[in-house]
Amino acid sequence: NFMLTQPHSVSESPGKTVTISCTRSSGSIASNYVQWYQQRPGSSPTTVIYEDNQRPSGVPDRFSGSIDSSSNSASLTISGLKTEDEADYYCQSYDSSNQNVVFGGGTKLTVL
Amino acid sequence: EVQLVQSGAEVKKPGATVKISCKVSGYTFTDYYMHWVQQAPGKGLEWMGLVDPEDGETIYAEKFQGRVTITADTSTDTAYMELSSLRSEDTAVYYCATRGLSYWGQGTLVTVSS
Repeated sequence: NFMLTQPHSVSESPGKTVTISCTRSSGSIASNYVQWYQQRPGSSPTTVIYEDNQRPSGVPDRFSGSIDSSSNSASLTISGLKTEDEADYYCQSYDSSNQNVVFGGGTKLTVL
Repeated sequence: EVQLVQSGAEVKKPGATVKISCKVSGYTFTDYYMHWVQQAPGKGLEWMGLVDPEDGETIYAEKFQGRVTITADTSTDTAYMELSSLRSEDTAVYYCATRGLSYWGQGTLVTVSS
């Protein structure tokens, strides 16, 4: 079993770039794809990145994902921040040992 | 258009059982696992388990093992999540999600209170 650890919160100004990290506690981050979800208050989560770095149709190219084996982490980068990007963001992966889905604890993004 | 429509909010007493439904449309129900996710007030997402509608096989998170039952009815394209021995900590919004968690229901609020 492993955990995905995210910062509790990040904040940045409109127009700037922010990166949210997601560190895997054990096993390789590259072993299983990482997805990222955006959740606005009162709404269901929506996918902004799937399979480490793929954007669903309709998600702006300001959103990008990557993985870094040296730090065993995944990252979500949002450039050209807009106030509408203010939301909670969750990373997610799979645990092959028990076929469980694993979520990170979530990061609250404030755009101020 | 893929849609997942969940049943309405529930209020239950401690010790009771709740059963939530998730009716799907817009895709072949048996083609994708159905997952259930819990979100307590002000907290993060917690995966509860999944069902393979094709054969009914299930996988549950250890935290919910023994209290949760997830089923799928292919005659109505509906998935169900039943949680028993409810306690106050089970007060949460419960989501169904499918197709690799790319499609989510609107959520169902379950309140456990005496």
